[in-house]
Amino acid sequence: DTAVSQTPKYLVTQMGNDKSIKCEQNLGHDTMYWYKQDSKKFLKIMFSYNNKELIINETVPNRFSPKSPDKAHLNLHINSLELGDSAVYFCASSQDSNSPLHFGNGTRLTVT
Amino acid sequence: AQSVTQPDIHITVSEGASLELRCNYSYGATPYLFWYVQSPGQGLQLLLKYFSGDTLVQGIKGFEAEFKRSQSSFNLRKPSVHWSDAAEYFCAVGRTDYKLSFGAGTTVTVRA
Repeated sequence: DTAVSQTPKYLVTQMGNDKSIKCEQNLGHDTMYWYKQDSKKFLKIMFSYNNKELIINETVPNRFSPKSPDKAHLNLHINSLELGDSAVYFCASSQDSNSPLHFGNGTRLTVT
Repeated sequence: AQSVTQPDIHITVSEGASLELRCNYSYGATPYLFWYVQSPGQGLQLLLKYFSGDTLVQGIKGFEAEFKRSQSSFNLRKPSVHWSDAAEYFCAVGRTDYKLSFGAGTTVTVRA
């Protein structure tokens, strides 16, 4: 009965590869997000979708491409992975703009 | 632009002692304020939120926070900590455009 689930939990890959992270929420929320947590645990928003429409794109390199096939799913595809992409990526959802976020358990991406 | 400052990077507290985590924010209008907790390897869980009304808000796990507009603060407190409270704590400020800004986090260590 996980509310926000993301897969995989761990992802280890080499520089230059392309990888995807998937996220699904069963809360019926309208808005979904991707956050990046760096090695110092700082959280920064990357993208947000509201009802499948992109509403936030925070100066993220265009190697990162989110896709929302429906409002319950938000995937993140990353092309040409770089060492600096190593981080924990969190998916989250909320009902509206000022409702609390519900987070997934994160995907730890390691680029070697 | 809104910002959040958590002055304490790391706090060590004895089990059974009280805990207070500081949070200061910078925002032009009335903010939406949140405290989240992140246990190792987990996503962020909402402890409590403040939108309006009573400035002392109660949350889960015995936590409370007090909003002080004059000091631009939203400090988190717990009267008696348990070993399971060892975690990373994040203060966050939101507004109506879906962008939630997080502080850098405070690591809480609980000693027996």
